[in-house]
Amino acid sequence: EPEVTQTPSHQVTQMGQEVILRCVPISNHLYFYWYRQILGQKVEFLVSFYNNEISEKSEIFDDQFSVERPDGSNFTLKIRSTKLEDSAMYFCASRLAPSTDTQYFGPGTRLTVL
Amino acid sequence: AQTVTQSQPEMSVQEAETVTLSCTYDTSENNYYLFWYKQPPSRQMILVIRQEAYKQQNATENRFSVNFQKAAKSFSLKISDSQLGDTAMYFCAFVGNEKLTFGTGTRLTIIP
Repeated sequence: EPEVTQTPSHQVTQMGQEVILRCVPISNHLYFYWYRQILGQKVEFLVSFYNNEISEKSEIFDDQFSVERPDGSNFTLKIRSTKLEDSAMYFCASRLAPSTDTQYFGPGTRLTVL
Repeated sequence: AQTVTQSQPEMSVQEAETVTLSCTYDTSENNYYLFWYKQPPSRQMILVIRQEAYKQQNATENRFSVNFQKAAKSFSLKISDSQLGDTAMYFCAFVGNEKLTFGTGTRLTIIP
């Protein structure tokens, strides 16, 4: 069964460093998402991406964040200058159809900012 | 704006018993989907069950079923014959247009 994959599973970085989190969505899916979950809290939407552009973003997704689909398979989230409060689990998700179809999640990347 | 409320932060039940997790939501949209996701200690998000708002029939997936009350905006999850592997955080989620909105979760512990 196709699945969303994410790398790395755990990333440790120093405050102020840039990190890139990578995702490979399910191959025929068209809509891509990033969510984050701070430890002990609920999952929060960051950004959605379709047709090579951002379709919606939350207030969390400020200028420090960017997303890219550099080729036909990868979907990346970049944090330019990490802060301590960026420590969280970051989930990538994808779905095939617009609006209300099911989003399938990757296993997550645990980001720790020291 | 949509909101999802899970009023039970923690629940525990004996193995093989039935447990029901509550979820309410608020939206002005008419066409939407509701989901229950399971998050075990590995923290992966696993889809348990989904419900289309336009369907009156409650969704079922093996031991998992929902009680969807559209007028009351209620979407509870029933787990029958609970197993030790059901121990996890359970998140109720709503999608109306694009993004998923999650509740705060219920930590379910199955006691041997």
